[in-house]
Amino acid sequence: AQTVTQSQPEMSVQEAETVTLSCTYDTSENNYYLFWYKQPPSRQMILVIRQEAYKQQNATENRFSVNFQKAAKSFSLKISDSQLGDTAMYFCAFMKHPSNFGNEKLTFGTGTRLTIIP
Amino acid sequence: EAQVTQNPRYLITVTGKKLTVTCSQNMNHEYMSWYRQDPGLGLRQIYYSMNVEVTDKGDVPEGYKVSRKEKRNFPLILESPSPNQTSLYFCASKGRGAGQETQYFGPGTRLLVL
Repeated sequence: AQTVTQSQPEMSVQEAETVTLSCTYDTSENNYYLFWYKQPPSRQMILVIRQEAYKQQNATENRFSVNFQKAAKSFSLKISDSQLGDTAMYFCAFMKHPSNFGNEKLTFGTGTRLTIIP
Repeated sequence: EAQVTQNPRYLITVTGKKLTVTCSQNMNHEYMSWYRQDPGLGLRQIYYSMNVEVTDKGDVPEGYKVSRKEKRNFPLILESPSPNQTSLYFCASKGRGAGQETQYFGPGTRLLVL
């Protein structure tokens, strides 16, 4: 079974600064996907970024980037030039590589509540 | 617009009164799933469906039922709700095959069982 750990329940940072959210995971799988989801006060789950384990290059999406360390089983999210709209709960999630018959579930961490201070 | 819809968005009910939360997606996705979100626990999978008429238990299935009679719909049924099922519920869908690894979530249903 897979586990995902987010060790920072809450974080806060000044607007325009850079913040890094931590995520570690445990799995015996070699091929998988990792995701960061954002949950603003509206409670909607919004995909921020995803990483395929077999790709060594770290994924980036505008101000969001990840530091994927496969050997260390670490997957941190960096938010640059933070904005007030980045205030949200952030969840790290793991998914095994899909197969024809397997459950394609997401295994989530417990989340990090991020507050951007004006 | 590609989306997953859930109804109702908010529901207050009493112990033992059967209820159904509907989920519908317009993306022709084969895979659909239900999660519940509780403080300090993240999201946990309740049930999933690989395709029409194919459903199976997730990690926390006790007290829930599902059905998948049509590809687009995947209702969650609580036949005798109890207070420990008070939670935020999400339906999600996903295509199958290369390049379709992202799951799309509905807006959530907040349920309070008294």
